[in-house]
Amino acid sequence: AQSVTQLDSQVPVFEEAPVELRCNYSSSVSVYLFWYVQYPNQGLQLLLKYLSGSTLVKGINGFEAEFNKSQTSFHLRKPSVHISDTAEYFCAVSLSGGYQKVTFGTGTKLQVIP
Amino acid sequence: DVKVTQSSRYLVKRTGEKVFLECVQDMDHENMFWYRQDPGLGLRLIYFSYDVKMKEKGDIPEGYSVSREKKERFSLILESASTNQTSMYLCASSPRTGNEKLFFGSGTQLSVL
Repeated sequence: AQSVTQLDSQVPVFEEAPVELRCNYSSSVSVYLFWYVQYPNQGLQLLLKYLSGSTLVKGINGFEAEFNKSQTSFHLRKPSVHISDTAEYFCAVSLSGGYQKVTFGTGTKLQVIP
Repeated sequence: DVKVTQSSRYLVKRTGEKVFLECVQDMDHENMFWYRQDPGLGLRLIYFSYDVKMKEKGDIPEGYSVSREKKERFSLILESASTNQTSMYLCASSPRTGNEKLFFGSGTQLSVL
């Protein structure tokens, strides 16, 4: 069975500073990895996904993530955050092949401070 | 755009009541999911379905059941609602391949009193 750990429940950061949101996964087989964002009072939307190939994945709104198989990590980064990035971010994993059971982490609340 | 529609935005029920949460998607997706979202716990998978009449338990199926009689509709049933089932319930759908994003409904906030 797969699982996801998001190490930080809240991350405060000043506007225009860089940010990294951490995600580690556990699986004995190959996986697909996703980052979703939930803005206040809105539904979840996909930021980016890793399926295979290049380990650096670029997503919407200037976010990117790097897949590291040896460390079983998929950390999300942005070089310069804006107030509008204040939201909750969820890492998710599913197994490559078989039924698409998608498991989410507990979420990280990003608070951008002006 | 894919639309995933959940029948109620807010629902208030009494302990012991049977509760039905309905979800309909309009993009002919094979996979459908029910999650509950609680502060600090993220999204936890209750049940998912990969085809009509097929269902698989997720990580927290206890106290819930599901029904998928038609491809576009996936129902979550609380046989006897309890206060610890007060939560935000999210329905999602996706195509059959495992590498596609999930399309989420807007959620149902269920309060069990």
